[in-house]
Amino acid sequence: EVQLVESGGELVQPGGSLRLSCAASGFTFSNYWMNWVRHTPGKGLEWVANMKQDGSEEYYVASVRGRFTISRDNAKNSLYLQMNSLRAEDTAVYYCARERQGTFGTALDYWGQGTLVTVSS
Amino acid sequence: QSALTQPTSVSGSPGQSITISCTGTSSDVGNYNLVSWYQQHPGKAPKLMIFEVNKRPSGVSDRFSGSKSGNTASLTISGLQAEDEADYYCWSYAGSSHVIFGGGTTLTVL
Repeated sequence: EVQLVESGGELVQPGGSLRLSCAASGFTFSNYWMNWVRHTPGKGLEWVANMKQDGSEEYYVASVRGRFTISRDNAKNSLYLQMNSLRAEDTAVYYCARERQGTFGTALDYWGQGTLVTVSS
Repeated sequence: QSALTQPTSVSGSPGQSITISCTGTSSDVGNYNLVSWYQQHPGKAPKLMIFEVNKRPSGVSDRFSGSKSGNTASLTISGLQAEDEADYYCWSYAGSSHVIFGGGTTLTVL
């Protein structure tokens, strides 16, 4: 059974940093693009970043580029999101999601349960 | 890049059919057959319902179908059931290694 379990979300002050983790199981992690997607009640779902199977390519939405860094450790079946210079508008539930096929942009077929990041003083 | 345009809300009675539209541009929806749809119940993770415009993942009811015409994709739900009440989001590849979600549509089953 495919499972994605996020962790690391918490309350952080504006300008602070946080690292999210996603532990994957039930599939060959190194065969898939992996994504971070966030959800806010006001804006809905927003794609944040993704990374290629071997870590050689990574892409970001414009609003986080330069502040967030996605990474992965295929030996540990884990995906990460390092978030720096956090802003109030980064407050959201962050989901880890698997790309359906071995290419970018097909669909996200499995999602974790999400981890809440709150940026507030 | 702006979000794909979806109606804020739609509603229907049990047993009826509804359609949710997702309008993009010739750079995203109109240029790629890489539109997918997601269902999200409150407090839950999104669930993939349709991929590549009109394909259903294993386990998704055949009451859900997808289509595309020009720059607009559509999700149709037939035989509405109470459990279909949820938020629905479209998603499209937009070229240059970029993807984009729609703003979301709240479906109410009357």
